Amino acid sequence: ETGVTQSPTHLIKTRGQQVTLRCSSQSGHNTVSWYQQALGQGPQFIFQYYREEENGRGNFPPRFSGLQFPNYSSELNVNALELDDSALYLCASSFDRLPSGTNTGELFFGEGSRLTVL
Amino acid sequence: DAKTTQPTSMDCAEGRAANLPCNHSTISGNEYVYWYRQIHSQGPQYIIHGLKNNETNEMASLIITEDRKSSTLILPHATLRDTAVYYCIVRGRTSGTYKYIFGTGTRLKVLA
Repeated sequence: ETGVTQSPTHLIKTRGQQVTLRCSSQSGHNTVSWYQQALGQGPQFIFQYYREEENGRGNFPPRFSGLQFPNYSSELNVNALELDDSALYLCASSFDRLPSGTNTGELFFGEGSRLTVL
Repeated sequence: DAKTTQPTSMDCAEGRAANLPCNHSTISGNEYVYWYRQIHSQGPQYIIHGLKNNETNEMASLIITEDRKSSTLILPHATLRDTAVYYCIVRGRTSGTYKYIFGTGTRLKVLA
C-alpha cells in the first residue's frame, strides 16, 4: 500500500514569489485535503478536493489555490507569498463516498513540505 | 463546527497508562470524535475514533461519556515513543465536506 508522499520536503522562497507543493495520495483514495501548520499550532484546514473539484475551504484567501488530477494527486499553489505563509504544509488523503456521506473517516497524512518565506 | 478543549501538556511515567482528556460540549449527534497524534514535525497519525460507544484498537482505547460532551484517550502502557502532541478532533460535515478542526492538542511527555 503506497502512502501519501509530498514534495519538496523543504523549500525557501522570498516575499512576493509563488510556490507549488505536490502531493501523491494513498492508493485507492479519492479525496485530498491540505492543511497549514504554523510552529506550535495545530494544523489549519485550507481546502479539500474530491474528484478533481474543490468541495470545501477553510479561512484562507484566494491566493491559496489547488488542483486535483485524474489520478487523485494534488497541488497546492500559493501566490504573492507573505512572511506569515512560513509553515509546514500537510497533505492528507482519504476515501470518501460523497454526497452520501459515508467514508472511512481516517485521514492519512504525508510528512509535509516545510516552507520558509524570507 | 464543534470545538474541543484539551490540556496543554501532560507527563506520564513509562509503562503506566496515559489518560488524555478532551472536552467537546457542543458536539452534535452525528459528529464523531477522532484522535490523532503528531510526533515531532511528522505528519499526524490516526489513532482511533468513535461516535458514542467505547472503542479499542491495538494502539489505544477511547472512552466517551454518555452525554458525549467529553472523552478520554487511554494509552494502556505508555512508552517513550508515545511522546507526541495528541489532537482530539470532532469531525463535522459542512456542505458535503468532512472538516477536521484541529486545536493545539496535548503535548504528552513520557518519562523514563
